[in-house]
Amino acid sequence: DVKVTQSSRYLVKRTGEKVFLECVQDMDHENMFWYRQDPGLGLRLIYFSYDVKMKEKGDIPEGYSVSREKKERFSLILESASTNQTSMYLCASVVFSGNSPLHFGNGTRLTVT
Amino acid sequence: ILNVEQSPQSLHVQEGDSTNFTCSFPSSNFYALHWYRWETAKSPEALFVMTLNGDEKKKGRISATLNTKEGYSYLYIKGSQPEDSATYLCAFLGSSNTGKLIFGQGTTLQVKP
Repeated sequence: DVKVTQSSRYLVKRTGEKVFLECVQDMDHENMFWYRQDPGLGLRLIYFSYDVKMKEKGDIPEGYSVSREKKERFSLILESASTNQTSMYLCASVVFSGNSPLHFGNGTRLTVT
Repeated sequence: ILNVEQSPQSLHVQEGDSTNFTCSFPSSNFYALHWYRWETAKSPEALFVMTLNGDEKKKGRISATLNTKEGYSYLYIKGSQPEDSATYLCAFLGSSNTGKLIFGQGTTLQVKP
């Protein structure tokens, strides 16, 4: 079974802090994604990566950056956390073809105070 | 901007009721339509990946249909059980999107015993 592990289930940070959300997958998937989920808005794509050191902006990249130094790990970075980044963050990975479903982590509930 | 709409936003049914909900998506440049179930405190899990117009898929009491020409998919649950309570997400993958799934806002189902 594919396992996608997010480093923290709950996180509380202060405004202005630099925040790292880590995601690791164990199935050698090329493609990894970071989404945030807010009530009534569904999952919105922040960034994605097709390969090591490769990244592309999703629909809402402002205020975020990412890092993919190794194939199995995809990190989401909040350079200076703000209260509007309080959200549920989900990481996902897939061996890409359009016929393959995403495998998700359990999510990180981030609260910025 | 591609739009994926799900209706209703939420649904409350009694145990044993059958129910269905809708996912609307762009009818052009279609590649695939995904359905996921997201239970509280768990990660979203894939139900179906559908690619062909007229496709029908079934998994236990849950089934889905796909109409790519008119841009909609229905998810049906027969004889709802409390364990079916979850948020159901659909996601559209267009032929030009190169891996970027566009998610709907989800339908939250609550099944009362």
